[in-house]
Amino acid sequence: GQQLNQSPQSMFIQEGEDVSMNCTSSSIFNTWLWYKQDPGEGPVLLIALYKAGELTSNGRLTAQFGITRKDSFLNISASIPSDVGIYFCAGQDGRGGGTYKYIFGTGTRLKVLA
Amino acid sequence: DAGITQSPRHKVTETGTPVTLRCHQTENHRYMYWYRQDPGHGLRLIHYSYGVKDTDKGEVSDGYSVSRSKTEDFLLTLESATSSQTSVYFCAISRFDMNTEAFFGQGTRLTVV
Repeated sequence: GQQLNQSPQSMFIQEGEDVSMNCTSSSIFNTWLWYKQDPGEGPVLLIALYKAGELTSNGRLTAQFGITRKDSFLNISASIPSDVGIYFCAGQDGRGGGTYKYIFGTGTRLKVLA
Repeated sequence: DAGITQSPRHKVTETGTPVTLRCHQTENHRYMYWYRQDPGHGLRLIHYSYGVKDTDKGEVSDGYSVSRSKTEDFLLTLESATSSQTSVYFCAISRFDMNTEAFFGQGTRLTVV
């Protein structure tokens, strides 16, 4: 099935460092979403993007909707230990037919070293 | 937190038995989704619903059926459970057709032995 290419798959960083991850697709999306998942929990929405070129922040998190509508980026500034988790991107497939499904990346597993 | 409750949270069942997972929402959202999450595969869509009695297949629908008789409830049934259906199942909801966020439940961990 269709999935988004999300990179990196995993990363180890030192506390205080900035983090960048991205998602790319061969399809155009109308909406990009970024989620964080902690162990044993469901994904929690971090940022939602609705327009090409849009740049949105949520605290130390900043995400951008790519101009081509085929990619998105998430940056975390000054990482802290509680940033540990799996980050997922999701694109909303609005190609018509009245069905609006979300397609997910395979996730970026982030580990922060104190 | 979005008002989504999944039940049960954990279940162990035997191969060949039917299993039903329930998703209940208090948000009156139109769209509801069932995903499965497996290592290396991320979240894959099983079935979704765009209204009462309106459902459609996702990318990994074989061996699963769904029903939505009320706006607030979306049931996922494994007709005859197999070991390959051991997974974590997530329900999600969203308000409108386009340009909206999806919110997830806490998941159901299903083990088929």
